[in-house]
Amino acid sequence: NAGVTQTPKFRVLKTGQSMTLLCAQDMNHEYMYWYRQDPGMGLRLIHYSVGEGTTAKGEVPDGYNVSRLKKQNFLLGLESAAPSQTSVYFCASSWEHYEQYFGPGTRLTVT
Amino acid sequence: LAKTTQPISMDSYEGQEVNITCSHNNIATNDYITWYQQFPSQGPRFIIQGYKTKVTNEVASLFIPADRKSSTLSLPRVSLSDTAVYYCLVAKGGGGNKLTFGTGTQLKVEL
Repeated sequence: NAGVTQTPKFRVLKTGQSMTLLCAQDMNHEYMYWYRQDPGMGLRLIHYSVGEGTTAKGEVPDGYNVSRLKKQNFLLGLESAAPSQTSVYFCASSWEHYEQYFGPGTRLTVT
Repeated sequence: LAKTTQPISMDSYEGQEVNITCSHNNIATNDYITWYQQFPSQGPRFIIQGYKTKVTNEVASLFIPADRKSSTLSLPRVSLSDTAVYYCLVAKGGGGNKLTFGTGTQLKVEL
């Protein structure tokens, strides 16, 4: 089992550019999450999904969109990147809101 | 939202027991308490979860008093490899967007 994988690992964007981060899990988990972590800070929930075809807003959803077309994949999109979105993005999956399994993270820099 | 408060940092020596306390005064009836460990440049990793009283697994113990307004993660006989950031997370068991990690506790273990 690969667990939770994230693509890409690193990315540099210019302000205004768009991109999509891909998260994949092979544990058949219903719940998936996207977090961001800024330097010296804890994780903040951006969006989450409780099943295929469903998404919901977390604590800091502005500037991001998500889609869960397949149970194993959860996509995070930035339509118009801003420097404030420079961060490390973590994806996670779980059975309900219990033990979450995290991916290795994507380090995004917006210049 | 069950906000959590933890010490910013703790220092210990190899072989000692370390206790990290998390305060969560506004915990709701159906909230669970979960602890995660995070190493630099990695996603958090699940340590232990509990609802009340005491829970023990192969790596840690979790003590929760009757009023559930705090919890204590106990790491027996720490080693250098336990140097990491530890997060306390209080979240509803059945769903919702109340998944906020605090700033965590930086544990430093020395020889």
